Amino acid sequence: GDSVTQMEGPVTLSEEAFLTINCTYTATGYPSLFWYVQYPGEGLQLLLKATKADDKGSNKGFEATYRKETTSFHLEKGSVQVSDSAVYFCALSDNTGNQFYFGTGTSLTVIP
Amino acid sequence: NAGVTQTPKFRILKIGQSMTLQCTQDMNHNYMYWYRQDPGMGLKLIYYSVGAGITDKGEVPNGYNVSRSTTEDFPLRLELAAPSQTSVYFCASNLLAPGYNEQFFGPGTRLTVL
Repeated sequence: GDSVTQMEGPVTLSEEAFLTINCTYTATGYPSLFWYVQYPGEGLQLLLKATKADDKGSNKGFEATYRKETTSFHLEKGSVQVSDSAVYFCALSDNTGNQFYFGTGTSLTVIP
Repeated sequence: NAGVTQTPKFRILKIGQSMTLQCTQDMNHNYMYWYRQDPGMGLKLIYYSVGAGITDKGEVPNGYNVSRSTTEDFPLRLELAAPSQTSVYFCASNLLAPGYNEQFFGPGTRLTVL
């Protein structure tokens, strides 16, 4: 069945460091891919998405490219800030759009 | 739009008690979902609904029930609370339409069963 595997955490970075959080997926057909962010005590918020191969999603300095050949959707940011400290979830929705599959989440802490 | 709202925010139950977690969305979304998130874990799907009157089981439905009598509301019922149901519960919704398939989440209900 469809699934998402993402990099184990926790990740601790200094402010202005480069961030990569790896995400790979298994799916039949052509899923849509997402990154969600969860700040402490809150629900998940959509960070960015990509709906087809080679699409690049971007938001708030974060980027991820839908790579069908490597079945990956890695999250990157060139210079992290303390306010980026959160848990990041990779997710996919299948062709029907009514099932979503989430990774286990990667906790990021950015220290000044 | 208020988006997806959930009540209560926190609740402590004793073993064997029952309760209903409320979820309402005002975006006219046809799909709604209930997830649980255990500490340090991802989300597990409990139940979902593709429209009023239609519900289906997810990955972990045992011990829970749902109903969907209106488009807006999707309550989750725990009949006999057990410590294993201690978790944070998230309700989500989405509109199944081209280009609109991301999920919108509520703020969560933190449930402790003692």
